[in-house]
Amino acid sequence: DSGVTQTPKHLITATGQRVTLRCSPRSGDLSVYWYQQSLDQGLQFLIQYYNGEERAKGNILERFSAQQFPDLHSELNLSSLELGDSALYFCASSVKLTGNTEAFFGQGTRLTVV
Amino acid sequence: EDQVTQSPEALRLQEGESSSLNCSYTVSGLRGLFWYRQDPGKGPEFLFTLYSAGEEKEKERLKATLTKKESFLHITAPKPEDSATYLCAVQAGYSGGGADGLTFGKGTHLIIQP
Repeated sequence: DSGVTQTPKHLITATGQRVTLRCSPRSGDLSVYWYQQSLDQGLQFLIQYYNGEERAKGNILERFSAQQFPDLHSELNLSSLELGDSALYFCASSVKLTGNTEAFFGQGTRLTVV
Repeated sequence: EDQVTQSPEALRLQEGESSSLNCSYTVSGLRGLFWYRQDPGKGPEFLFTLYSAGEEKEKERLKATLTKKESFLHITAPKPEDSATYLCAVQAGYSGGGADGLTFGKGTHLIIQP
């Protein structure tokens, strides 16, 4: 158990809908990362937050957004969903903002868009 | 653009048959190279971080090494429970614009047969 908690574990929704994925980082970790994993693309970095503020953006679509709350949990919002958004979404957390640091991953949310 | 290429894509070994997995990378200033293990439907599990060429780290039957262009994950006398997908990732040395997120390879799917 990495200590990173993601909910829900599974989500099935229709095209055009909006969903929210939730992540609770390890105790004491200030940095949260979101990743998308699909069969053809592998693990892709989406976005990073540190202590409530957006720190870095990767391959995140404009239809997707995220935030980190004062209690450090984070939410990833996916809107106007398309079939191609079906994937595993992982949250990871780490203690440091920069420098050499390990990120620990949650068990993921499997999103299926039908 | 940071790139990570892992080979082979898949590897089937007999129990006790040692081998190595390769991770070749191109990055603008390497801050760290990470190895993760991922079981089906689970989140990546952290194994090692390597920071500079010549560094080596060991954990049970696994040993990771790093050169300026690639990293190897050596598996000695593997057991069936070592079956998993092994992921390599790099973190670039510059800041901003997604640099704090990891760039992953597509992984090596390892099967150890009893």
